[in-house]
Amino acid sequence: KNEVEQSPQNLTAQEGEFITINCSYSVGISALHWLQQHPGGGIVSLFMLSSGKKKHGRLIATINIQEKHSSLHITASHPRDSAVYICAVESGGGADGLTFGKGTHLIIQP
Amino acid sequence: DSGVTQTPKHLITATGQRVTLRCSPRSGDLSVYWYQQSLDQGLQFLIQYYNGEERAKGNILERFSAQQFPDLHSELNLSSLELGDSALYFCASSAWGSGGTDTQYFGPGTRLTVL
Repeated sequence: KNEVEQSPQNLTAQEGEFITINCSYSVGISALHWLQQHPGGGIVSLFMLSSGKKKHGRLIATINIQEKHSSLHITASHPRDSAVYICAVESGGGADGLTFGKGTHLIIQP
Repeated sequence: DSGVTQTPKHLITATGQRVTLRCSPRSGDLSVYWYQQSLDQGLQFLIQYYNGEERAKGNILERFSAQQFPDLHSELNLSSLELGDSALYFCASSAWGSGGTDTQYFGPGTRLTVL
């Protein structure tokens, strides 16, 4: 079974700072997902990666398959980015559910 | 709005009871996944259905069962409820078929409280 480790567990930063959240996994995967969960509980899919790098607005996600490691970056952070960011992996090519990390609680202070 | 709907939003019930949670996937999505989020276990995969058939099982208890109907909506049945079943239950859908991975779109969740 895949183990997914995220760091840091908690992160507090000032508005405008560059944020990095890391994710490591233990065995081969077919894809890695970054999810965002707001205090109300809803989960939004940010990225799905199987190689390289993806960018959407101020968010950038990278993955290194050889090192079994992914990073999520937020540029010019804003208080509305405050949320829990969750890394999840799938190993079955879609024919299986996700295995989740414990999440990173991010707070951006004005 | 992800396009995935879940009902009810909140459910309060007693130990020993049985409840049914309902999920309607995004239009055109054939895969439905059920997840449980609890304070002590975090997010866990329960079960996946694809076009009406069970495709994968995760940490689903024997007291729990699910099905996907011809119109592709899915129901998760939880029986003989225990205090520890109190959690947020999410449904997600994807267009996944046999061609590999796809983004999963999450519903708003059903918060179950067992008293």
